[in-house]
Amino acid sequence: DAKTTQPNSMESNEEEPVHLPCNHSTISGTDYIHWYRQLPSQGPEYVIHGLTSNVNNRMASLAIAEDRKSSTLILHRATLRDAAVYYCIQERNTPLVFGKGTRLSVIA
Amino acid sequence: EPEVTQTPSHQVTQMGQEVILRCVPISNHLYFYWYRQILGQKVEFLVSFYNNEISEKSEIFDDQFSVERPDGSNFTLKIRSTKLEDSAMYFCASSASLVSGANVLTFGAGSRLTVL
Repeated sequence: DAKTTQPNSMESNEEEPVHLPCNHSTISGTDYIHWYRQLPSQGPEYVIHGLTSNVNNRMASLAIAEDRKSSTLILHRATLRDAAVYYCIQERNTPLVFGKGTRLSVIA
Repeated sequence: EPEVTQTPSHQVTQMGQEVILRCVPISNHLYFYWYRQILGQKVEFLVSFYNNEISEKSEIFDDQFSVERPDGSNFTLKIRSTKLEDSAMYFCASSASLVSGANVLTFGAGSRLTVL
């Protein structure tokens, strides 16, 4: 089973960077790491994904450890709108399987 | 930005009634999914659909459930005889590709089903 481990919750101050960790010790060479988030009362939303190299997009950055057994989603400046549940998903075939994720609270 | 549209946003029904939840996926996407989320719990996979047939389904997706793409735009989830435990938020999603690493899902806002 392609299982990831994330902290249940994290807290951040507004306009500070946030580093959301994820462990995926059972990852194999072809498994991508995906991150989605779910804002309150909304459907999951794609954030970013990567395989080996660090990735950046307009929403976030993804730092993948050299051994690929862990990764970190980086929000460079948290805003109140970033308060959500963040899911780290190890893509092994389909479908994408969601865990419990990390609930991020952002404090003004 | 293209989006997945779901209707109704909220449906209340009596136990034993049939319910149809509708979704309009992104127009050039080929793969379609239904997930559900019981209040306070995880987002759970129900079924995936490609080329007019079910690709995969979970244990949750029993004979009470069916999916259909009746025309070129809609993708529907039917629950034949609803139970109390079917009360949940149902999310439709679509993707353009199943290629590993390119399988990015776009989700709709969800349809909340309440079974009384």
